[in-house]
Amino acid sequence: EVQLLQSGGGLVQPGESLRLSCAASGFTFINYAMTWVRQAPGKGLEWVSSISGTGSRMDYADSVRGRFTISRDNSRDTVYLQMNSLRAEDTAVYYCAKYRRSGTYYPFDIWGRGTMVTVSS
Amino acid sequence: DIQMTQSPSSLSASVGDRVTITCRASQDISDYLAWYQQKPGKVPELLIYDASTLQSGVPSRFSGSGSGTDFTLTVSSPQPEDVATYYCQQYKSVPYTFGPGTKVDLK
Repeated sequence: EVQLLQSGGGLVQPGESLRLSCAASGFTFINYAMTWVRQAPGKGLEWVSSISGTGSRMDYADSVRGRFTISRDNSRDTVYLQMNSLRAEDTAVYYCAKYRRSGTYYPFDIWGRGTMVTVSS
Repeated sequence: DIQMTQSPSSLSASVGDRVTITCRASQDISDYLAWYQQKPGKVPELLIYDASTLQSGVPSRFSGSGSGTDFTLTVSSPQPEDVATYYCQQYKSVPYTFGPGTKVDLK
């Protein structure tokens, strides 16, 4: 069964850092790009960042570029989101998700259960 | 960036009614369009991709159509379990963008 198990998250103060993890199982991890999508309380979905299967290409939303870093460890089948200089507007549930097919431009077919990040003093 | 809009923002339907949700892209995205369903308190799920292809396991009462800039999600006979918010998403180019969502409930 294809699964994404998320960890990390929590309550931090503005300016602090946090790292989210997403451990994959049930598929050949290196063959698939992975992504992070967030959802602020009561709001819609916002794409945050994506990383290719080999890790050679990373993309970011303007709202997080320069503060967030996506990475992956294909030996551990895990993708990460390092979040620095956190702001109140980063408060959201963060989902990791898998691309539906190997390649770049595909929708997201498997989602993790989400992890809450709260940035507040 | 490609902007996505949806209409209506919410609707109330009766079981057995036909429900139609429209999604519009600010520029041509060919058929790089997906629909997701998010039930209250749950994780989003992929319903349709490539504008009209049903994801495995999705009931056949869901269908998608359109190409270019105008797209439609149709639920032919909504069931109580279809109460959810529906989002369209373009994956033609980065940044991938979602529509604001359409909340569907049943009378």
